[in-house]
Amino acid sequence: QVQLVESGGGVVQPGRSLRLSCAASGFTFSFSSYAMHWVRQAPGKGLEWVVVISNDGTNKYYADSVKGRFTLSRDNSKNTLDLQMNSLRLDDTAMYYCAREYSYGPKIFDSWGQGTLVTVSS
Amino acid sequence: EVVMTQSPATLSVSPGERATLSCRASQSVFSNLAWYQQKPGQPPRLLIYGASTRATGIPARFSGSGSGTEFTLTITSLQSEDFAVYYCQQYNDWPPYTFGQGTKLEIK
Repeated sequence: QVQLVESGGGVVQPGRSLRLSCAASGFTFSFSSYAMHWVRQAPGKGLEWVVVISNDGTNKYYADSVKGRFTLSRDNSKNTLDLQMNSLRLDDTAMYYCAREYSYGPKIFDSWGQGTLVTVSS
Repeated sequence: EVVMTQSPATLSVSPGERATLSCRASQSVFSNLAWYQQKPGQPPRLLIYGASTRATGIPARFSGSGSGTEFTLTITSLQSEDFAVYYCQQYNDWPPYTFGQGTKLEIK
C-alpha cells in the first residue's frame, strides 16, 4: 500500500537548520507522476500548507512564512523528498507531514505520511 | 489568498444523529474544495474532493455539497469513529493552498 515516511525531525535552536526527508513507496503510478507537498501543524492548531514541488521537480512554490528559508527538492530515482529548513524560528515548531498530489488529477492530498515533529526551542 | 472559514468551531452531536459542517471561502473556488478528517495522533485523511465526490473507501454516510463560496459536509447516522476534527481546503487559487481552521465534532 501507499507509504510516505517522514524523518529528520527533532529539537533545534532558533536560527539553526534541519533537514527533513520523506520516502515514498507503494504508489500505483510512478513517484514522478505526483507533485509532493509538505503541510505542517503547530501543536493544537490547524493545518498550514508549506510547499509543493512539481512531479519533475522544476516548479516549486512556498508559503510566504517559509519563503527564502526553506528549500524543497526531490529525487525521482530514489522516490524521496528533502526539505532543507534554515534560519528556523520558534513558530516553525510543528508536526510536518508530506503529502502527495496526483499530477494529472484534482489538486488534492490523497495520501499523507504520519509526520515528523520539529521543535524549535532555545 | 483565499481565506477559508469553517463553522462552528465545535459541534456536539449524539451518535446516530446527523452532523452538518460548514465552510465558506472568501472568493469563489468553484467546486475545487476538499474535506479532510483528522483524528488525534493521526495525519489528515481525504474524505471529499470536487466539493461532493467521496474519496476511495469513504462511507456513503459522508456527503459534500456546495459550490462557489459556500460548502457543507454532512455526516448521517454518526458512528463513534466519526468524532474527529474536519478541515476544508481549497485548491482553486494557489499558491497557497488554504485550509479552514477546522471543526471539532464531539460526542454529545
